[in-house]
Amino acid sequence: DAGVIQSPRHEVTEMGQEVTLRCKPISGHDYLFWYRQTMMRGLELLIYFNNNVPIDDSGMPEDRFSAKMPNASFSTLKIQPSEPRDSAVYFCASSFGLASYNEQFFGPGTRLTVL
Amino acid sequence: SQQGEEDPQALSIQEGENATMNCSYKTSINNLQWYRQNSGRGLVHLILIRSNEREKHSGRLRVTLDTSKKSSSLLITASRAADTASYFCATHFLIQGAQKLVFGQGTRLTINP
Repeated sequence: DAGVIQSPRHEVTEMGQEVTLRCKPISGHDYLFWYRQTMMRGLELLIYFNNNVPIDDSGMPEDRFSAKMPNASFSTLKIQPSEPRDSAVYFCASSFGLASYNEQFFGPGTRLTVL
Repeated sequence: SQQGEEDPQALSIQEGENATMNCSYKTSINNLQWYRQNSGRGLVHLILIRSNEREKHSGRLRVTLDTSKKSSSLLITASRAADTASYFCATHFLIQGAQKLVFGQGTRLTINP
């Protein structure tokens, strides 16, 4: 298995632009998580899905952030408009079944820089 | 906050020595997990210890959990240069019926050859 796939790996954009991050979870996994990692705040859970349905989005910082999971093999995290404080590494992770919180498999991350 | 706090923030030791990292948390948990993150990479799950367990081993890793002190430790024995990474504890708990997995800030471990 290729593991969790994220694209792009690096994104540099200007303030105000729309940013879309993409994630392909491990085939067969039914939970998908989006995290953000910064030096100041560490690793924060933004949102997670179960069977493509958003379950907990309490970590989404504000309305500029939105996430979708149109099918079991694809999810997007969109920031519109982007701001410099959104600069961070964004990770997608997936897991399977009842052990969803027992072991999460992380993607390599997308390093976002907003100028 | 429920977030686990690792101690120390950074640790530098010689290859072959043992490395011990600690994690403290604030409320009841279902389990506690340790993850490793190599520079520029995603996190990798290392080991999970349930709230009713006190010690667990996996290869050169030994994890202990003291629920009375709300603390856990991760011991890496006979360290190797490849163990250089950041190590995070993550606490799994329920709050208002919702599951949460909250990561600490991590310990940066450097193994010097």
